[in-house]
Amino acid sequence: GQQVMQIPQYQHVQEGEDFTTYCNSSTTLSNIQWYKQRPGGHPVFLIQLVKSGEVKKQKRLTFQFGEAKKNSSLHITATQTTDVGTYFCAGPFSGGYQKVTFGTGTKLQVIP
Amino acid sequence: GAGVSQSPSNKVTEKGKDVELRCDPISGHTALYWYRQSLGQGLEFLIYFQGNSAPDKSGLPSDRFSAERTGGSVSTLTIQRTQQEDSAVYLCASTFVGTGLQPQHFGDGTRLSIL
Repeated sequence: GQQVMQIPQYQHVQEGEDFTTYCNSSTTLSNIQWYKQRPGGHPVFLIQLVKSGEVKKQKRLTFQFGEAKKNSSLHITATQTTDVGTYFCAGPFSGGYQKVTFGTGTKLQVIP
Repeated sequence: GAGVSQSPSNKVTEKGKDVELRCDPISGHTALYWYRQSLGQGLEFLIYFQGNSAPDKSGLPSDRFSAERTGGSVSTLTIQRTQQEDSAVYLCASTFVGTGLQPQHFGDGTRLSIL
């Protein structure tokens, strides 16, 4: 079945360092979403990418969709302690409706 | 309210008891999802509703799990004869159904602990 893997599983960075998480799908995705879950919280939608090779920025966060639409990345520049959490990518399930398959997630810890 | 509401926020019960978890989605959101998240793990899909029907129940772990949705709004997830492995956070999400994939809006979840 459809699988969405993320690497790394965990990442510890010093505050101010950059961070990148990668999302890889076993199938081509029509679009991809990214969510952030703070410790003890629930996932919160960040962004959706639709076009091949698309790049979107939200302040220090840069999201990219691969040319083949099978992978995506989230890059955070100069991490802050507020960036702590787990980042999930999610792709549409091949079922023709509004179901997504969530990636395995990358847990980010920022050391002050 | 403005967001997805789940109740109770915490539930502690003894093994073998039945539990009922409630989700009140955002008004106007016709799609509703239940997920399970064990400690430090990812999101495990349980069931999806479109209106009152559930076209995808593939994620329900066993026949002890059931869910219903009435009036195209509130949904309840019922776990019968709870087991310790059922301990997890149960998250509900809703979406507006429109053109293309829509963002999922999550509730705060119900933290279920089975003693």
